[in-house]
Amino acid sequence: GEDVEQSLFLSVREGDSSVINCTYTDSSSTYLYWYKQEPGAGLQLLTYIFSNMDMKQDQRLTVLLNKKDKHLSLRIADTQTGDSAIYFCAESTGSSNTGKLIFGQGTTLQVKP
Amino acid sequence: NAGVTQTPKFRVLKTGQSMTLLCAQDMNHEYMYWYRQDPGMGLRLIHYSVGEGTTAKGEVPDGYNVSRLKKQNFLLGLESAAPSQTSVYFCASSYSSAWSGELFFGEGSRLTVL
Repeated sequence: GEDVEQSLFLSVREGDSSVINCTYTDSSSTYLYWYKQEPGAGLQLLTYIFSNMDMKQDQRLTVLLNKKDKHLSLRIADTQTGDSAIYFCAESTGSSNTGKLIFGQGTTLQVKP
Repeated sequence: NAGVTQTPKFRVLKTGQSMTLLCAQDMNHEYMYWYRQDPGMGLRLIHYSVGEGTTAKGEVPDGYNVSRLKKQNFLLGLESAAPSQTSVYFCASSYSSAWSGELFFGEGSRLTVL
């Protein structure tokens, strides 16, 4: 079945770049997503990439997709303390138009001042 | 603009008790979902609905029931709570067309079963 894997924890210093990695298994996924969860809150969509793209940039965020290796990464430039949160990678199941997503375990990003 | 609202936000139950979590959305979304979030396991889909009057099983449906009698509401029921159902529950909704994967989440309901 579909599976999404992420490392659980990343610690960086303020001002550095953060790179959060994710691997997925469903090669038919149409979209791949990054969601952000701040403490005590629900998830919010951060960005997404269509499966026929290699890269997407949105201000401080860069998403890289390697379809051959089924690897997705999120780079946050100039990381700020406000970026501290849990980041979830997710893929669409692709097999039906139900909007179902498969989420990874989440990567906790800790930004030290 | 309230978005997705979940009630209650916190609840403590004893084993065997029943309860219902209510999710309400004011965005006229067709699709609604219930997920549970457990440490180190991410979010797992419990049940979902693609429209009023319809429901379907997700990844971990056992021990839960759902109903979608009105388009704006999606109820999650636990008939006989078990400690394994201690979790944070998230409701989400999305558009049915122009699908781009954006789920709108509620703030979560933390349930503890003793």
